[in-house]
Amino acid sequence: QKEVEQNSGPLSVPEGAIASLNCTYSDRVSQSFFWYRQYSGKSPELIMSIYSNGDKEDGRFTAQLNKASQYVSLLIRDSQPSDSATYLCAVSTGTGTYKYIFGTGTRLKVLA
Amino acid sequence: EAEVAQSPRYKITEKSQAVAFWCDPISGHATLYWYRQILGQGPELLVQFQDESVVDDSQLPKDRFSAERLKGVDSTLKIQPAELGDSAMYLCASSGAGGPREQYFGPGTRLTVT
Repeated sequence: QKEVEQNSGPLSVPEGAIASLNCTYSDRVSQSFFWYRQYSGKSPELIMSIYSNGDKEDGRFTAQLNKASQYVSLLIRDSQPSDSATYLCAVSTGTGTYKYIFGTGTRLKVLA
Repeated sequence: EAEVAQSPRYKITEKSQAVAFWCDPISGHATLYWYRQILGQGPELLVQFQDESVVDDSQLPKDRFSAERLKGVDSTLKIQPAELGDSAMYLCASSGAGGPREQYFGPGTRLTVT
């Protein structure tokens, strides 16, 4: 079982719709969770971080965390073609020295 | 806005040659990471520094890869000799102290080994 799992996609949504990206993780003691956006040929860009159960909203992005189910998701409202990218889920574990584990990413395509 | 700097951005080298990458983290960030990302996969940690000390190099192929962060600021990752399978994006990231904080990536170095 992979430590951080994501559906590779592609996930296709029409412009203006809500895109829902999901991630599950295996280490129950994981503490921090991050979503990165990565355009083709570019480096990952941090878009959301979440540390406690529930929802966290930032503009059109909402991160949702459920530690009991070991599940974290990212919702993108009013999706735009410029949101087309690969979205990486990252999970931080450890004490003192923190290790970040990345999923393989979900490719999102927003259709104009 | 503070950024992680990396150079070169692109590197083409022949197999068996030596290659080096440089990274300058965000000012004040104590933790520095080197990752390798193969197309279609997520970044995989090669080495993690806390200040000048290596805290995790378990996935670093030590027979050919080396990394240093002598003064606890900028860092160099070296490959010698390069192999065809080393072709990938090499990413440097940094994070601040005090817990599992946000990690910020530099632009990366795209390495092609021919």
